[in-house]
Amino acid sequence: AQSVTQLGSHVSVSEGALVLLRCNYSSSVPPYLFWYVQYPNQGLQLLLKYTSAATLVKGINGFEAEFKKSETSFHLTKPSAHMSDAAEYFCAVTYNYGQNFVFGPGTRLSVLP
Amino acid sequence: ETGVTQTPRHLVMGMTNKKSLKCEQHLGHNAMYWYKQSAKKPLELMFVYSLEERVENNSVPSRFSPECPNSSHLFLHLHTLQPEDSALYLCASSQSGTVANPLHFGNGTRLTVT
Repeated sequence: AQSVTQLGSHVSVSEGALVLLRCNYSSSVPPYLFWYVQYPNQGLQLLLKYTSAATLVKGINGFEAEFKKSETSFHLTKPSAHMSDAAEYFCAVTYNYGQNFVFGPGTRLSVLP
Repeated sequence: ETGVTQTPRHLVMGMTNKKSLKCEQHLGHNAMYWYKQSAKKPLELMFVYSLEERVENNSVPSRFSPECPNSSHLFLHLHTLQPEDSALYLCASSQSGTVANPLHFGNGTRLTVT
């Protein structure tokens, strides 16, 4: 079965520090990968997506993610954290025509002043 | 109005009530979804409609009944719910086709069952 793991249910960083949120997937076929962000009392908003083009994907709000097939990973990074980045982040994977999305459990990012 | 709109934003209902959640998408998508988000649990896919036909029913109890009258509207009818059904219910839409297009989510309905 398809699955997504996100190492660390809660990550804290200082403002201005590097953000690294981890995502690993299980797959025997090429995946399509997504990162979503959820702010309190809101739905999920797409940050970026990987659909087999460039392995380094740039998204909104200064985030980017790199697809590494050999490591089955799609980690999310941002060079310098901002207070407004505090939120829950979800990694998701889908295959074929994309109706069956599998989400990771999420990582809550806290940004300390 | 753009995007995916869900109403109501908050709902409190007793275990014997009947209520409905509404979702409307203004993106021209052909697939719509219901997800359940409970505290400390991954998002759970409940139902998928593609071209107004249900293509996925993820072993959801019959007290949840979806309805998709057209490609822009999706309902979730609720009856005789249990306290453990309290959660955030998220609607999403996507353009299903030959590439994996992302899901677009609404802001959800926060449901509390008393």
